[in-house]
Amino acid sequence: TQLLEQSPQFLSIQEGENLTVYCNSSSVFSSLQWYRQEPGEGPVLLVTVVTGGEVKKLKRLTFQFGDARKDSSLHITAAQPGDTGLYLCAGRPRDNYGQNFVFGPGTRLSVLP
Amino acid sequence: DAMVIQNPRYQVTQFGKPVTLSCSQTLNHNVMYWYQQKSSQAPKLLFHYYDKDFNNEADTPDNFQSRRPNTSFCFLDIRSPGLGDAAMYLCATSRDLRETQYFGPGTRLLVL
Repeated sequence: TQLLEQSPQFLSIQEGENLTVYCNSSSVFSSLQWYRQEPGEGPVLLVTVVTGGEVKKLKRLTFQFGDARKDSSLHITAAQPGDTGLYLCAGRPRDNYGQNFVFGPGTRLSVLP
Repeated sequence: DAMVIQNPRYQVTQFGKPVTLSCSQTLNHNVMYWYQQKSSQAPKLLFHYYDKDFNNEADTPDNFQSRRPNTSFCFLDIRSPGLGDAAMYLCATSRDLRETQYFGPGTRLLVL
């Protein structure tokens, strides 16, 4: 079973549309990271969220960490073809001290021009 | 400006022929990780080094070994690659175990 679930698994939208992807767990996380990975490349860190309820903005991307630190969301405004990629959430469960860094299965986003 | 560097970016090896992948970092981070990522899947942690201390994940096959001769470099050795070992191998670093990981661009391994 996945400790981190992501939804949707796949998303295809037109340029200019807005979208939200989700990362959920039944466990509490000390922090969560969001990465974007393009084909043939390593994951690139977008943001780290640490505090429950925290909201961070990165240009057209808005990240939110749930109050209970069990879930997170990524909202993209006016999506562009350059946003296409695999979006991975990852983090270290609070109660699994020091040993495991868990990835979600990812959301594969395709933004069509 | 590259912080986590992996060489080569593409590696072709033969079934059963040992292969070594390399990773270096300019961040002076304590922890270095190796992940395996197969197509359409999330990265899977193989092992990590905290400084010189090696930590193997329970389900990592014995075929995979690692060396960290100094802070900057870490190697992944695959002793007898099988066809199922063809994948993207990602190196990552973090300042400490509970901190954000930074990834290299990966090495794509092809086993013939």
